[in-house]
Amino acid sequence: RKEVEQDPGPFNVPEGATVAFNCTYSNSASQSFFWYRQDCRKEPKLLMSVYSSGNEDGRFTAQLNRASQYISLLIRDSKLSDSATYLCVVILSGGSYIPTFGRGTSLIVHP
Amino acid sequence: DVKVTQSSRYLVKRTGEKVFLECVQDMDHENMFWYRQDPGLGLRLIYFSYDVKMKEKGDIPEGYSVSREKKERFSLILESASTNQTSMYLCASSEREQFFGPGTRLTVL
Repeated sequence: RKEVEQDPGPFNVPEGATVAFNCTYSNSASQSFFWYRQDCRKEPKLLMSVYSSGNEDGRFTAQLNRASQYISLLIRDSKLSDSATYLCVVILSGGSYIPTFGRGTSLIVHP
Repeated sequence: DVKVTQSSRYLVKRTGEKVFLECVQDMDHENMFWYRQDPGLGLRLIYFSYDVKMKEKGDIPEGYSVSREKKERFSLILESASTNQTSMYLCASSEREQFFGPGTRLTVL
C-alpha cells in the first residue's frame, strides 16, 4: 500500500466550479501536512499547510481528518489559472523532516 | 523569500559522462534534498542531507552520489551517466516545509 495516495484525475471542471481533492495517508504517526501546486514543467510550490482545525486561504480550504487519515483541498470558484497538479505531502513526527509526496491530482479548469 | 537555485535548467550529456548538478539555498536551512521526477512516478527521493558533510540515502540512490561541503550547497553527482537517468532533477531545502529549485532537465544520450 502506498504511504500517500491521491486520485491522479484529471479532474475536468468549468470555470466557477467548486472542486475537492482528497489524499489518504497510511502512517498514523504523520504529523505535518501540506498541499503543493505544480504547473507543467515547473517545480512544486507550497500552496498551504494543513492544520488540525482546518484552514482557509482565499478560495482554498484545507482540512485534516486524523481519524480517517486523510487530508482534503477544496477550491471554490475555480479559475483557469488553477489548472495544475496538486501534490499532497505528509511528514512523520520524530524530528526528521523527510516528506512523503503523493503522485498528484491533475486539475483542468476549462472556460 | 526563500531562494533555491540550480546550476542548469537544461543539460544534455552522453552515456558514461560524469555529471554534476549543483543546488544553492540562501535561507540557512539545515535540510537539503535531491529528487528526480518522471511522468507517472511522481517525486522520488535520491539523497538528502541534514547538515554539512552529512548525507543519507533516499529511495533510489543507485547510480548517484552527493556532496555537502557547505551548508548552502548540495551537489548531486552522476558518476557515469546512463540513459535511464534522463529525468527532471529537483533540489529542495527545508526546515519544515520544502522549497524547491526550478529543476534541471537532464537528457543522457
